[in-house]
Amino acid sequence: DIQMTQSPSSLSASVGDRVTITCRASQSISSYLNWYQQKPGKAPKLLIYAASSLQSGVPSRFSGSGSGTDFTLTISSLQPEDFATYYCQQSYSTPPGITFGQGTRLEIK
Amino acid sequence: QVQLVESGGGLVKPGGSLRLSCAASGFTFSDYYMSWIRQAPGKGLEWVSYISSSGSTIYYADSVKGRFTISRDNAKNSLYLQMNSLRAEDTAVYYCARAMGYYDSSGYEIDYFDYWGQGTLVTVSS
Repeated sequence: DIQMTQSPSSLSASVGDRVTITCRASQSISSYLNWYQQKPGKAPKLLIYAASSLQSGVPSRFSGSGSGTDFTLTISSLQPEDFATYYCQQSYSTPPGITFGQGTRLEIK
Repeated sequence: QVQLVESGGGLVKPGGSLRLSCAASGFTFSDYYMSWIRQAPGKGLEWVSYISSSGSTIYYADSVKGRFTISRDNAKNSLYLQMNSLRAEDTAVYYCARAMGYYDSSGYEIDYFDYWGQGTLVTVSS
């Protein structure tokens, strides 16, 4: 199975900060990488698919980049509603091996 | 608008069974692959299973293979997960999700999950 490793596991930041979260795959996954946001007690929400495509309705302050094994999710200017846990997910090794990263918890400083 | 509503969770003893349901609305259910994804308390996301739009193609994570069965009823716009031989480690919130995919040389492949239900909690404990 392809392993996905996110860094950092947790992060403290302030409103207005630029934040970058990294996701590394254990082998090349081309651009088959997606990002989700999850708030406490809620279902995950798709933010980015195919490494860099913004899901409809998602604010443009979110962006994704990368290919191969290294990917990043960037929030250009943190808003209060962005404090949440973020997960990456690879879809290269389907079927059936869809795997998620362990998550990055973004907290208010 | 797209809605996915799970039901059927609850408390069950180890070795017991439970059947989860997911009612879909706001889209043509029979056109989409669907999936179950779970999240243990305080933990990350784990993909469990997916089923093709017709129900003819099904895959499971190794952790549930042989114990869980995914199915769907396109006439009722519903997705199901029959869970047997439940273990303490199956305790989780179970989400149903609509899957988007792409065609390649191997056929249709799942790519990402664009809509999720609110989840239903399954607790396996004596």
